[in-house]
Amino acid sequence: NAGVTQTPKFRILKIGQSMTLQCTQDMNHNYMYWYRQDPGMGLKLIYYSVGAGITDKGEVPNGYNVSRSTTEDFPLRLELAAPSQTSVYFCASQNFDTQYFGPGTRLTVL
Amino acid sequence: AQRVTQPEKLLSVFKGAPVELKCNYSYSGSPELFWYVQYSRQRLQLLLRHISRESIKGFTADLNKGETSFHLKKPFAQEEDSAMYYCALTLSGGYNKLIFGAGTRLAVHP
Repeated sequence: NAGVTQTPKFRILKIGQSMTLQCTQDMNHNYMYWYRQDPGMGLKLIYYSVGAGITDKGEVPNGYNVSRSTTEDFPLRLELAAPSQTSVYFCASQNFDTQYFGPGTRLTVL
Repeated sequence: AQRVTQPEKLLSVFKGAPVELKCNYSYSGSPELFWYVQYSRQRLQLLLRHISRESIKGFTADLNKGETSFHLKKPFAQEEDSAMYYCALTLSGGYNKLIFGAGTRLAVHP
């Protein structure tokens, strides 16, 4: 099992550009999450999904969108990138009470 | 509001010394608490959960509802314990959304 995979590992965007961060898991978990981690801070929940076709906002959803068309994939979309979205983004899936994390995507918006 | 506080950004000890990483939480309900760990160049992963009352890699953590704390302890630190440690809280009755503390970096010196 690859577990949770994220692409890309690194990305630099210009202000106003858009991009999609990909997240895939091969563990057939229904619950999936997107977090961001700013320097010196804990992880903050952006969006989550409890199954295909069902998503909901977390603590910091502004500027992001998600979709969940399959159990495996949970992409995060940034429209009109802003410097405040410079962060490390983590995707996770969950089985019972344990979350399994991807390796993260480091995004810089200049 | 629910919050997890880890007061120390960095904890530096020598090998063989006792370790205590502090975690305090604020939540009016009945919490479920976890410690996650991120070793260098590895993914964030679950270390232990309070409900299991387990010892993992020599670490234990006891939930103290009176003091709203969930400190992580190990009697004799090893160099391989050096990592970032995150305390996390799950809201009861929710979708197991985790609220993370800012993390403490543990550095164990030879």
